[in-house]
Amino acid sequence: DTEVTQTPKHLVMGMTNKKSLKCEQHMGHRAMYWYKQKAKKPPELMFVYSYEKLSINESVPSRFSPECPNSSLLNLHLHALQPEDSALYLCASSQSGTGYTSTDTQYFGPGTRLTVL
Amino acid sequence: GQNIDQPTEMTATEGAIVQINCTYQTSGFNGLFWYQQHAGEAPTFLSYNVLDGLEEKGRFSSFLSRSKGYSYLLLKELQMKDSASYLCAVRGSGGSYIPTFGRGTSLIVHP
Repeated sequence: DTEVTQTPKHLVMGMTNKKSLKCEQHMGHRAMYWYKQKAKKPPELMFVYSYEKLSINESVPSRFSPECPNSSLLNLHLHALQPEDSALYLCASSQSGTGYTSTDTQYFGPGTRLTVL
Repeated sequence: GQNIDQPTEMTATEGAIVQINCTYQTSGFNGLFWYQQHAGEAPTFLSYNVLDGLEEKGRFSSFLSRSKGYSYLLLKELQMKDSASYLCAVRGSGGSYIPTFGRGTSLIVHP
């Protein structure tokens, strides 16, 4: 089973709203990631959690707040977003949480299509 | 830094063979991934190469030459459902284990 699930599939929110994106995996993976992807662009890394601790923050604005409640769950809390934040938000996980192994592969969830009005 | 280059778009005919190239310049090298991504969906893992040579997996094969900083994804017996974006991602070294994605190649398969 290489499934990563994300909810919701679609989200429309106003600039004053607060919402959360959720991601879950039950593969025992120790690293989890948030990516942002705009149309016809590659995924851009936002955050990495390793063993439930934030290990990488790619200078993401504070209106995006990640949270890792346990080893299977990853949330992204959204507040005061801008229209340019509209994108596909992808969650991924990989087995290794400390550095890497030679075969460490990222598995992606289906994404949340976010529209900010 | 890392620089990954792929063609932006390719077209091919159903039943044919297509080769999608990826060239890279990275600080060290620790593996190259190919992903398939249909429009509006998540990237799906296709292959991983860390040693030189060809890895075959059904209709898809991936080749790597580390000395040339070059990889290709070969798709045989093309089907309409193969129309998608194909992303090359390279893992460098220097402490970061996160692959960097290329811009992707949009493949259009027509009848």
